[in-house]
This record gives sequence, C-alpha cells and structure tokens, in this order.
Amino acid sequence: GEDVEQSLFLSVREGDSSVINCTYTDSSSTYLYWYKQEPGAGLQLLTYIFSNMDMKQDQRLTVLLNKKDKHLSLRIADTQTGDSAIYFCAETDTGRRALTFGSGTRLQVQP
Amino acid sequence: GAGVSQTPSNKVTEKGKYVELRCDPISGHTALYWYRQSLGQGPEFLIYFQGTGAADDSGLPNDRFFAVRPEGSVSTLKIQRTERGDSAVYLCASSLDNTEAFFGQGTRLTVV
Repeated sequence: GEDVEQSLFLSVREGDSSVINCTYTDSSSTYLYWYKQEPGAGLQLLTYIFSNMDMKQDQRLTVLLNKKDKHLSLRIADTQTGDSAIYFCAETDTGRRALTFGSGTRLQVQP
Repeated sequence: GAGVSQTPSNKVTEKGKYVELRCDPISGHTALYWYRQSLGQGPEFLIYFQGTGAADDSGLPNDRFFAVRPEGSVSTLKIQRTERGDSAVYLCASSLDNTEAFFGQGTRLTVV
C-alpha cells in the first residue's frame, strides 16, 4: 500500500530556516500536503501542492516537489518559536480521496 | 460555526461499552472524513462520506466500528464493545472539493 516517511525530529534556532523532508511511494499521488499540529490541537492545513508543480511559495513557506524521487520538502524561512509543532506530510490521489499521512516530524525551535 | 466541531472533546469509557462520537462539518461541505490518531503516529483513515453515503469505508478496522451521516451534514462514529486498543484521538475532517480538508480538534477516547 501507500507509504509516507518522515524523519522524527528537527531542531533549529530561532531566525534560521527549517527544512522538513518527506518521501512517499505512491506514484499516482495527485496532491501532497503539509499539516501542522500543536500540542492538544487538531491538524492545521498549511499548504499543498499539485503533483504537476515543482515548487509552491506561500509567505514564509516553500514547498519543493521532486516527483521523480518522490520527495517532498517544506522550508520555513525565519523560523519562530511559534513554529514549534509536529508537521505531517500527507498525500492523496484521484482514485482515493482519503489522505495517507506520515508519522510526523517534531520541529523544536530554540530561542 | 466557522470550523469543524467534534463532541465530546474527551470521552472515558469502560471496556465493553458502546460509544458515539459526533462531528459537525463546516457548513456546505459535502465530503466528510473520519481518521484515528494513536500516540506518536499520523492520522489513519477510517471512513469517507460524500453526502449521505459512505463512499469508502475501507479503513474501518472491524465490524465494531460504524459511522452514519443521515442528512449529509452531521456524522456520528459508533464503536461497539470498546477495547483498550480503541483508545486514540478520533479526528473528523470536512471538505468542499476534496482538495482541502479541514480538521476538527478531535475526540480523545480512553477505554479503561
């Protein structure tokens, strides 16, 4: 079945850039997503990219997609302490409406 | 309300009991999803509704789990004969176009 993999933990200093990586196996993925989850909270949709795009930028967030390598990344510029959270990569395809999530990357931002 | 609302926010039940978890989607969203999130894991898909019908229930773990959405809006996830392994956060999401899915805060279910 489909699989989405993420590294477990990333620590950065406030003001630095953060890069969170994700790999997936489904070659028919249509949309790829990044969600943010803060402690005790639900999932907040940050951004998503359609599979025919290579890059999407939204304010401090930049998503890069390498479809050949099935690799997705999320770059957060000027990382702030409020960015500390768990970030989930997810994918879906046109044949399956449900999202398949990775296990999440915990981002810790040190002042 | 403006977002997806789930009630209760917390539910503690005894092993073997029946529970119902409720989801109020964003008004006008025809697609509704249920996911389950265990500690330290990403959400796992349970069931997807398009309107009133369950379009995909392939994620339901066994026949103790059932969900309904009789009027195409509010949905109820029902779990019979609860087991300790059912303890998790149950998340509901809704979508207008199946592209952007918006999640509720979840119901934390604890089976003791």
